Amino acid sequence: DTGVSQNPRHKITKRGQNVTFRCDPISEHNRLYWYRQTLGQGPEFLTYFQNEAQLEKSRLLSDRFSAERPKGSFSTLEIQRTEQGDSAMYLCASSFRGTVSYEQYFGPGTRLTVT
Amino acid sequence: TQLLEQSPQFLSIQEGENLTVYCNSSSVFSSLQWYRQEPGEGPVLLVTVVTGGEVKKLKRLTFQFGDARKDSSLHITAAQPGDTGLYLCAATGGNYGGSQGNLIFGKGTKLSVKP
Repeated sequence: DTGVSQNPRHKITKRGQNVTFRCDPISEHNRLYWYRQTLGQGPEFLTYFQNEAQLEKSRLLSDRFSAERPKGSFSTLEIQRTEQGDSAMYLCASSFRGTVSYEQYFGPGTRLTVT
Repeated sequence: TQLLEQSPQFLSIQEGENLTVYCNSSSVFSSLQWYRQEPGEGPVLLVTVVTGGEVKKLKRLTFQFGDARKDSSLHITAAQPGDTGLYLCAATGGNYGGSQGNLIFGKGTKLSVKP
């Protein structure tokens, strides 16, 4: 495994539609994180999992957003009833809690455009 | 209020020049990471610093963590066009009331190195 992968890389959707993104972390990593990045800003934390347990959610994660990591491997992030303000780059990262646990490795991101 | 302040926001220099970018906070952190991000891609981890006063070198890049673990700097010697990108600092484990599970990012320094 050479790194974190995310699919799709780009998604264009109409306002009100639902979208789902997938993240495959580095295989031995037990922590998985979702971030959102808008133009001119650094990434902002959304949520993270340790194995299959969702340990923390940001206030940014409204009730239209849901994330899952059912078997402690890949994760999905779903946005329901998309709004134009949801347009952003959605980044996934993974880390291994054990050594330098704060080192997170990012995927290439999914660019969402809501029209 | 931004927890991590990066300066300058933009920097445009000629190939061969030296530069320093800064990451400052009023909070104390357990660790601080520097990432480099290219347009349309996810951040790539450059270095992690954990000890106050620590200095790490990565080829032409020198990273320093402040003695009080509140600030950091990145110095690039003899910049090359390939150094062009957005440099982000990120920290965790701080006394700002946040969790250990996510990274707080600055807005980044956008560096352009002209040949």
